[in-house]
Amino acid sequence: SQKIEQNSEALNIQEGKTATLTCNYTNYSPAYLQWYRQDPGRGPVFLLLIRENEKEKRKERLKVTFDTTLKQSLFHITASQPADSATYLCALESGGSYIPTFGRGTSLIVHP
Amino acid sequence: NAGVTQTPKFQVLKTGQSMTLQCAQDMNHEYMSWYRQDPGMGLRLIHYSVGAGITDQGEVPNGYNVSRSTTEDFPLRLLSAAPSQTSVYFCASSYSRAHQETQYFGPGTRLLVL
Repeated sequence: SQKIEQNSEALNIQEGKTATLTCNYTNYSPAYLQWYRQDPGRGPVFLLLIRENEKEKRKERLKVTFDTTLKQSLFHITASQPADSATYLCALESGGSYIPTFGRGTSLIVHP
Repeated sequence: NAGVTQTPKFQVLKTGQSMTLQCAQDMNHEYMSWYRQDPGMGLRLIHYSVGAGITDQGEVPNGYNVSRSTTEDFPLRLLSAAPSQTSVYFCASSYSRAHQETQYFGPGTRLLVL
């Protein structure tokens, strides 16, 4: 069966360090993968999209990698700040299905 | 632009009652969708629409109806509420189905069914 796995345990890091979140998937052939941020009591907010033929995408302090051989995406936040504390969701859309499937998200806590 | 708006923000229903969750967007987006989010379950797609007059089922459509009479509005109807429908409901929109690269989510409706 198809699965998207994100670490259910919260990631705790110190301010200034790089946070790395993982999204693993099985039995998907995603056309692209998205990362969203969700704050408590709010809807998800789109951050980055990376396509199947791209290995890396950057936006300011954010970097996403996509390894279709390992079936894994890594999401990095450099120089992390307490304001980066949130839950981060990955979502996949397989080519042709047009229905994005979301992972359960990983909570990031950045300590001052 | 207001983006994606949802009403109400909170609702308590009794089992068997019906209600409509409202969703509107002012970005002229073709694609709209409804998700529910439960603790530990992630976001699950209920129904989606690729344009006015066209709707389709997602992963968990049972107990819900939708219609899309205009580009702007995409209401979700609970036909006969059940406690299992207690959840947070999010509406989302994007420019088009084929270019669903960025989804814009509404603030959510928190529903409690007693």
